[in-house]
Amino acid sequence: AQSVTQLGSHVSVSEGALVLLRCNYSSSVPPYLFWYVQYPNQGLQLLLKYTTGATLVKGINGFEAEFKKSETSFHLTKPSAHMSDAAEYFCAVRLTGNTPLVFGKGTRLSVIA
Amino acid sequence: DGGITQSPKYLFRKEGQNVTLSCEQNLNHDAMYWYRQDPGQGLRLIYYSQIVNDFQKGDIAEGYSVSREKKESFPLTVTSAQKNPTAFYLCASRPESYYGYTFGSGTRLTVV
Repeated sequence: AQSVTQLGSHVSVSEGALVLLRCNYSSSVPPYLFWYVQYPNQGLQLLLKYTTGATLVKGINGFEAEFKKSETSFHLTKPSAHMSDAAEYFCAVRLTGNTPLVFGKGTRLSVIA
Repeated sequence: DGGITQSPKYLFRKEGQNVTLSCEQNLNHDAMYWYRQDPGQGLRLIYYSQIVNDFQKGDIAEGYSVSREKKESFPLTVTSAQKNPTAFYLCASRPESYYGYTFGSGTRLTVV
């Protein structure tokens, strides 16, 4: 079975500070990993994904994530938070094949001016 | 532009009534999915379909039904058997060769 754990349901940072959103997964096979962002009353938008290859993945809006197999982690970072980054962020995992994505419970990011 | 359209955006229904949520995509994607979102619980899979005329139950299928008669359409019916239907419902799709999803903008269902 696969599962995703996002540490911290709510993270608050100051504008210009580092953003770090944590995601750990469990999977018996090499996973495909995703980060999505959701703004209020909207659908989810793909930020970045890891499938194979380079373990440091760059996404949209200045976000990046690093796949660390030894730590079973895929944490999302951004060097400098902007007010527009305030949203909910979801980590998701998928095995190879056609199994559906499994999502974490989400982390709400607040950015303080 | 291609995308996924969910309608309506807001839906109100009386308790005990069935209601159908629409999901249409013009991306020529093979697979389609329905998720339910509740505060603090993330996204939970209701049903999914890999091809036309075939679908599988997800983790919380009880009280829901779907059909997939056309590649473009994957409507979700919330039946009166669903004990707590008030939630935000998200539809997504995926092409055969890619693992990431494209999401619709969601339907917020409120049962009163």
